[in-house]
Amino acid sequence: SQQGEEDPQALSIQEGENATMNCSYKTSINNLQWYRQNSGRGLVHLILIRSNEREKHSGRLRVTLDTSKKSSSLLITASRAADTASYFCATLSGEGTGKLIFGQGTTLQVKP
Amino acid sequence: GAGVSQSPRYKVAKRGQDVALRCDPISGHVSLFWYQQALGQGPEFLTYFQNEAQLDKSGLPSDRFFAERPEGSVSTLKIQRTQQEDSAVYLCASSLGQGGVGELFFGEGSRLTVL
Repeated sequence: SQQGEEDPQALSIQEGENATMNCSYKTSINNLQWYRQNSGRGLVHLILIRSNEREKHSGRLRVTLDTSKKSSSLLITASRAADTASYFCATLSGEGTGKLIFGQGTTLQVKP
Repeated sequence: GAGVSQSPRYKVAKRGQDVALRCDPISGHVSLFWYQQALGQGPEFLTYFQNEAQLDKSGLPSDRFFAERPEGSVSTLKIQRTQQEDSAVYLCASSLGQGGVGELFFGEGSRLTVL
């Protein structure tokens, strides 16, 4: 079963534009993580935000978390063609089960 | 190696055959996860180990799926009597701490095709 749902499912933008992806989840969480996956490859961790944090930055990435709305957003600024990939949010349940549950992902295409 | 290693990268099996997929996690990593990823979908949780203990196997789709990590390092995911619906990429991930409290490091996956 999937915990998170990403929105939109697919996004196409021009190089230099910003890309925003959203993630909604259903149960209480300990943390929320964002991962990136290039076609045919494994997932790469981008950023982790804890349930008591509201915003986090890493380079061109900005993540926000709203626990009252059970949602998160990932913003990629000044996108590059190399950012073309699928992006997944993943949540760690607050119930201490230890397992990280992934959403269905957003496929981002950045056109040069 | 420095990362998570999975083998084989590609496996073609005839329906009914047994397969074994291997995962070598990053040395010293306590937690190990197996996920199943169908084409165009997100990874689906299968099972999770903390050292040699299998703490959660709630995602295993049937009793044909079995995972082990006997010495708390290398893990094997075994699928008995494979079916066509088992065709997917099987991803292994490890993390330094307990469960998903920190980042997961993923292998490249094992792509299983059942004919």
